[in-house]
Amino acid sequence: DTGVSQNPRHKITKRGQNVTFRCDPISEHNRLYWYRQTLGQGPEFLTYFQNEAQLEKSRLLSDRFSAERPKGSFSTLEIQRTEQGDSAMYLCASSGTGGGNQPQHFGDGTRLSIL
Amino acid sequence: GNSVTQMEGPVTLSEEAFLTINCTYTATGYPSLFWYVQYPGEGLQLLLKATKADDKGSNKGFEATYRKETTSFHLEKGSVQVSDSAVYFCALFSGGSNYKLTFGKGTLLTVNP
Repeated sequence: DTGVSQNPRHKITKRGQNVTFRCDPISEHNRLYWYRQTLGQGPEFLTYFQNEAQLEKSRLLSDRFSAERPKGSFSTLEIQRTEQGDSAMYLCASSGTGGGNQPQHFGDGTRLSIL
Repeated sequence: GNSVTQMEGPVTLSEEAFLTINCTYTATGYPSLFWYVQYPGEGLQLLLKATKADDKGSNKGFEATYRKETTSFHLEKGSVQVSDSAVYFCALFSGGSNYKLTFGKGTLLTVNP
């Protein structure tokens, strides 16, 4: 169990640029989640994958955001035409099969700063 | 909708003091409840969980009891250490096919030697 890995740890970019983040879940986990955390707040759910299928998207996920999980392994989160309000910590988590009491294991996050 | 309310921080304690961080929730059905801890610069780590009423979750000296009658899941520790300094998040899962967690805003704990 090597844990959930996220890259990069930090991303600084100018407003209007596109950015892509990567998440590698724990290898045997088939569920993968993306959350966004702003300063002083708890994480907010963005989207959820079971294997390669994206089964849920929050209304927080505008059409500038897209997430993929090809082959049900790693996942990418892309933000197009970034805005100041996109500055946040983006967290990825994964969990195994079973009910909702299966704990989600989080990565260290990608901190996005928009100049 | 679902929501989690945590006591406002920051909380500052001296080493070996008793800790309580209050957490109450609003949810449909019978949620599973969790406490996560976030150390500076790191992601969230599961601290403990409880999946039904009157369950007590415990780990590393921390405890929390699932109280359905008061919709609460307060975190306690009898004697805190400097290394416990972190942000603590209460969270719930209330069912549904997306398995998403709903988090409180977090409580910053600072323990001084």
